[in-house]
Amino acid sequence: DQQVKQNSPSLSVQEGRISILNCDYTNSMFDYFLWYKKYPAEGPTFLISISSIKDKNEDGRFTVFLNKSAKHLSLHIVPSQPGDSAVYFCAASVVNDMRFGAGTRLTVKP
Amino acid sequence: DVKVTQSSRYLVKRTGEKVFLECVQDMDHENMFWYRQDPGLGLRLIYFSYDVKMKEKGDIPEGYSVSREKKERFSLILESASTNQTSMYLCASSHRGGAKNIQYFGAGTRLSVL
Repeated sequence: DQQVKQNSPSLSVQEGRISILNCDYTNSMFDYFLWYKKYPAEGPTFLISISSIKDKNEDGRFTVFLNKSAKHLSLHIVPSQPGDSAVYFCAASVVNDMRFGAGTRLTVKP
Repeated sequence: DVKVTQSSRYLVKRTGEKVFLECVQDMDHENMFWYRQDPGLGLRLIYFSYDVKMKEKGDIPEGYSVSREKKERFSLILESASTNQTSMYLCASSHRGGAKNIQYFGAGTRLSVL
């Protein structure tokens, strides 16, 4: 039973446009959410996070939005760059339990 | 710079073999984790450890065991490898304090069991 779902296995956008990656979760006890980025032949690396007491967190070109009532979070990348092409994993946690989504492969075309 | 090193990038083993996957971290992290990554399933937790000689089962521990004799090293053991254990294995570490602490990952070991 996957508690964190990324329903889009892949996303393709043009360089300079916005990329929006989505994530849904089922456990309302989750109180901390993270996005990881994974390049081929490398392990996932932390990108950005958000606590459940916030609804938005911004870091440069990356913004994460949290909608607790809908149990939904999204990652916005503006503007998208070819170097952003990677697999993005959403994760949700409570206490010592962290759950990951299946990942979305983002391709940014020049 | 945090470094999590997994001993092998690629490994090919035969069914029934005992397989050791090694992971070393250099940041004095208390927590260490083993995941497997399969297409469409994301990262699934196999085992984790919060301290030396301490281990806890994750979601899919069957067919695996772990060892943590030193703080920096966490080993995953496949007692008798089977073809359904063909996967990408990822090790991670983090500071104590629960899942809010960022996990740092190794590059992964792609294991094929024939």
